[in-house]
Amino acid sequence: QKEVEQNSGPLSVPEGAIASLNCTYSDRGSQSFFWYRQYSGKSPELIMSIYSNGDKEDGRFTAQLNKASQYVSLLIRDSQPSDSATYLCAVNPGKSSGDKLTFGTGTRLAVRP
Amino acid sequence: DADVTQTPRNRITKTGKRIMLECSQTKGHDRMYWYRQDPGLGLRLIYYSFDVKDINKGEISDGYSVSRQAQAKFSLSLESAIPNQTALYFCATSGKVDEQFFGPGTRLTVL
Repeated sequence: QKEVEQNSGPLSVPEGAIASLNCTYSDRGSQSFFWYRQYSGKSPELIMSIYSNGDKEDGRFTAQLNKASQYVSLLIRDSQPSDSATYLCAVNPGKSSGDKLTFGTGTRLAVRP
Repeated sequence: DADVTQTPRNRITKTGKRIMLECSQTKGHDRMYWYRQDPGLGLRLIYYSFDVKDINKGEISDGYSVSRQAQAKFSLSLESAIPNQTALYFCATSGKVDEQFFGPGTRLTVL
């Protein structure tokens, strides 16, 4: 079983819609969670971090964390064509993994004009 | 100026050659990482260093070595490059909080 799982997509949404990206993780002791955006051929860019259950909002982005169900999601409101990219979920399982991040393989988002 | 820089940005080399990829950072972070990215496989950790005297193997360290010359510099070497080491290589840094920040990447092709 992969430690961090994401649907590879592509997830296609029309411009202006809400895009919902999901991620599940296997280590129940995980404490910190991150979303990165990666454009084709470019490096991952950190867009959200979340540490507590619930929602965290930053502009058009909302991260949602549910530790009991072991999932973290990213909502992108008013999606724009410039949001078209691969979104990577990353989890820190904590001391058991040497305090390193484990990345999912990413979900490709395509926003249709 | 970029906080995390990598050189070279692109490199084509031949099987058996020794290659060094360099990473420098101005963020003042103690922790540095080397990843490779292959299509469909995501980011995989090669080596990581939590300070100058602490270097650890990641999940795919075979065929690679590293050197932490200073807090700000972390180099990755391929002693004898082989074609399946063709990939996109990223350096990343993190401070006390475990958010990682990535360099621009090096596209390596081994013929």
